[in-house]
This record gives sequence, C-alpha cells and structure tokens, in this order.
Amino acid sequence: DAGVTQSPTHLIKTRGQHVTLRCSPISGHKSVSWYQQVLGQGPQFIFQYYEKEERGRGNFPDRFSARQFPNYSSELNVNALLLGDSALYLCASSHPTGSGNSPLHFGNGTRLTVT
Amino acid sequence: EDQVTQSPEALRLQEGESSSLNCSYTVSGLRGLFWYRQDPGKGPEFLFTLYSAGEEKEKERLKATLTKKESFLHITAPKPEDSATYLCAVQKTGANNLFFGTGTRLTVIP
Repeated sequence: DAGVTQSPTHLIKTRGQHVTLRCSPISGHKSVSWYQQVLGQGPQFIFQYYEKEERGRGNFPDRFSARQFPNYSSELNVNALLLGDSALYLCASSHPTGSGNSPLHFGNGTRLTVT
Repeated sequence: EDQVTQSPEALRLQEGESSSLNCSYTVSGLRGLFWYRQDPGKGPEFLFTLYSAGEEKEKERLKATLTKKESFLHITAPKPEDSATYLCAVQKTGANNLFFGTGTRLTVIP
C-alpha cells in the first residue's frame, strides 16, 4: 500500500514569492496534518484537517493557509515567503478512531529553500 | 507551559552496547506519548504509543516505557541500522496535534 505522498520533494523559492505544497494521504485516512521541521529541531504543528474542515491550527502567521479536498488530499500554501520559512514541510495522515489517538503516518516531506 | 525535553542530544554506541534515551515531559493532561524514528531526508516513522504510567511496549530491539513525568526508549544490543534520530512527542487531552521534542541522534558503530 502507498504511504503518504508529498510533492514536490524539493523546491527553491525567492523571498516574497508564494508556494503550494501537496499531499495525498494513505488510502482510507480522512485526517491530514501539516508540520514544519527546521533543521535540528522536532516537527512543529501547522494545521490539521478532517473531513475538509480545519480542526486545529498551530502558532503560525496568516501567511500560512491550507485546505483539504473531497478526495482527502491537501494543499499547504505559504505567501510572502521569508528566509525563515526554509524547512522540511511534513504531511501526515491518520485514520480517526474516535479516541483521537490514531498515530500519525508521515510522508517524506517537501524540502523548501527560500533564497 | 507544555514542554518535551529529550536527552541526550546525541549518543554514540558500539554495536551491541545497550542504552536508553530519555524523554521528559510537562503537559497539562496527557492523552498519549509517541515515539518516532527519523532517518536523514525522510519523514518520521511511527514506533510506539503509550497512554498511561506503567505501560510498556516492545518492538524488536526497542522497548518504550512511561512514567508520569518521563518516557524511556531502551535499545538492546543495537545494530548499525538502528542509527537514526529518535523523536518523542506528546498529545494533550482535547488536542489533535503532537508536540515534539528535538530528538536524540543515535549513531551505532560497527
């Protein structure tokens, strides 16, 4: 079975530009989360979506937005890129069990470099 | 304030030399504690979930334990392929997201 797939794998952008990152969850998973991982740090929560609705948002500026589509895939958009946005952006999906403790399964991420 | 602290930051072991990684946490209401393994250039790979103090889980050479303040990841007779960064994360009661520590970078030398 395919795991969580993310595209593109690498991306180089210039300050001020915007970027769209894409994620396809594991088949049957209806929840998608986005995390930012700066080099040497643990992943930091950005958004969670379930059934196309936002269910959680981390401490990130409004330049960050996301959405989930009817097929449960998701996009993360970042506007007005800053050098500090350079990071590995991870998408994770999970199969809601009702308890909320379904483990997250991560993709291999999109490496974004802002110059 | 919620906090997850992992120690040591880096650990070098000889093949076969057992050791433990520590994850201490401060959170208002623990829903679950998670361990992940991350290889360079890859996303985190799920290992274990622990829900309550006293719980233990095992997988091959790895064993995770949980107390009210910390979790340990014990590695028995490690092999070079166990080299990776091990991440600990907590989920608070009522929250859907994970709060990660900064990880322990493990290197196992043949």
